[in-house]
Formats: sequence, C-alpha cells, structure tokens
Amino acid sequence: AQSVTQPDIHITVSEGASLELRCNYSYGATPYLFWYVQSPGQGLQLLLKYFSGDTLVQGIKGFEAEFKRSQSSFNLRKPSVHWSDAAEYFCAVGLMDSNYQLIWGAGTKLIIKP
Amino acid sequence: EAGVTQFPSHSVIEKGQTVTLRCDPISGHDNLYWYRRVMGKEIKFLLHFVKESKQDESGMPNNRFLAERTGGTYSTLKVQPAELEDSGVYFCASSPGTDLYGYTFGSGTRLTVV
Repeated sequence: AQSVTQPDIHITVSEGASLELRCNYSYGATPYLFWYVQSPGQGLQLLLKYFSGDTLVQGIKGFEAEFKRSQSSFNLRKPSVHWSDAAEYFCAVGLMDSNYQLIWGAGTKLIIKP
Repeated sequence: EAGVTQFPSHSVIEKGQTVTLRCDPISGHDNLYWYRRVMGKEIKFLLHFVKESKQDESGMPNNRFLAERTGGTYSTLKVQPAELEDSGVYFCASSPGTDLYGYTFGSGTRLTVV
C-alpha cells in the first residue's frame, strides 16, 4: 500500500540555522509530491510541489525540496530559518492512478529556538 | 478571490450529539474534498465530490458520517451520533479539476467530542 513517512515528529532548530525535514514515500511509480505547512490557527498552505522535470523544486517562504527517485525521498530544506517558520509541516503524495487523493505523512512539528 | 471557508472553526459537543460542519469552496471549483486528522495521526481522505455527486467516499469511516453538497456549491459533513473517536480536525479542500494542480485547503474545523 502507498504510504508516506516523516520520521521526525518534532525538530528543534535555532533561529538562523539550516533546516532539513525528511520525507520518504512508498509507491510503485513516480507520484506527485507536496509539502504543506500548517501554522497555529491556520489552514494547510502549499509550500511546493513536484510533478515532473527538475528534481529540485523551489517553493514559497524560501523553502526548497529535492526529489530523489533512488531513495524515494522528497526532503524539505531551508538555509536559514526564521521564528515565523515554527509550524507543522506535512509531506503528501498524490497518486497518479487516483489523481485527486492525497496520502499524508504524520507531520513534523518545527520548533525554533531564539 | 475568496479562499475555501470552513465553519465553525471549533466545535465541542457531547458524545451522542449531532454536529454539522460546513465547507464553502472557491467559486467555480467543481471538486470538493473532505479530509480528517485524528489526534496524532495522519491526515486521511474522507470523500470527494464532483459538483453535487459523490465521486469517491471510500474514506468515510462509518455510516454515522453523512456528506452532502447541495447544488454543487457548499458542502456539509454531518456526524450523528458523535463518538469520542470522531474528535480531530476536519479539512475541506477544493480544486477546479481532478488533477491535484489547484488544490486549496480551508483552515479546518476542530471537533472535540466529550
């Protein structure tokens, strides 16, 4: 069955430090890949998505993600985090054989140390 | 352009009561989806409407849940009777087509059953 794994439930990073959030998926073909963010009291906001082409994807708020087929990974990165990045981050897979449903990881809560 | 609107934002009800959640999609979006996140778990797909028709309701947990989309506009999700395990955040999303490109989420309804 298709699945998405975000191995880190919580991550704490100092303000200004770099960030990498991990995401691995299990799927027989190349899926559509997404990262969403949910800030406190807010809805789910799309950070970036990968459908095809360049495997390094740029998103909003200075985030980027790299699709690595050999590792079935789609890790999210940011070179320097800001206190406003504190939120919960979700990796999701859109299935090409069911092109409307998203399969989600459990989420990673990002805590920023001042 | 107005986004996807969900209300109420929070609801606290007693076990056995009925609750109705509402989602207003972006105008012109034929596709409407409901997702749910139970505490500490992944976000899970519940169902998908195309206009007023249920395209896929495979994720609905049981027959205590009833979703409708009258006239292909707003949608309601009724839980009757509510159980403790129904507590969680209910997200609605809409998109113009079934291709994952224009998925937009609402801010969610946090349901607490006590």
